[in-house]
Amino acid sequence: KQEVTQIPAALSVPEGENLVLNCSFTDSAIYNLQWFRQDPGKGLTSLLLIQSSQREQTSGRLNASLDKSSGRSTLYIAASQPGDSATYLCAVRPAGAQKLVFGQGTRLTINP
Amino acid sequence: KAGVTQTPRYLIKTRGQQVTLSCSPISGHRSVSWYQQTPGQGLQFLFEYFSETQRNKGNFPGRFSGRQFSNSRSEMNVSTLELGDSALYLCASSLEITYEQYFGPGTRLTVT
Repeated sequence: KQEVTQIPAALSVPEGENLVLNCSFTDSAIYNLQWFRQDPGKGLTSLLLIQSSQREQTSGRLNASLDKSSGRSTLYIAASQPGDSATYLCAVRPAGAQKLVFGQGTRLTINP
Repeated sequence: KAGVTQTPRYLIKTRGQQVTLSCSPISGHRSVSWYQQTPGQGLQFLFEYFSETQRNKGNFPGRFSGRQFSNSRSEMNVSTLELGDSALYLCASSLEITYEQYFGPGTRLTVT
């Protein structure tokens, strides 16, 4: 059974810092991995999608990496801003399954 | 292109009642998935539909059901509501090529 873990559960940093969020999964047989952002009481916004054959994806100040063999992904946020404050969720799509398995999320606070 | 829409956005029901939630996917997306989000359990997969067929179902009791129409719109129904069904219900749609999931704003269900 696929399990996804995100560490830390919460993170508070001053504005302008570069930071890394971690995601680990127990089964390397995945089709893809997706990072989402969720603001309080809102739906999920897709940030980056990494297919199993890819090693990383970039969008603006965000960079996500995937190491399938070790069951790890990281989300790198450069030059953090207060508007980046949100919960960040990592999810994997197991190979052959039409569903996502989510981690519990990292609640990020960027202090001005 | 319009995003995923969900109606209603908020619902208050009494224990024992039933409820129907609606989801309209992004135009051209034929896969629709449903997830339940609670503070204690996080995001859990309910079911996934493609071309009016349920392809995958999560570990929820039979009180939770769904369907998909020929225009890809989907509904989920919860019968005999329990207090523990209070949650944010999220719908997502995707293309079969990338399987990137796009989420709607969710329906906040409160059972009293």
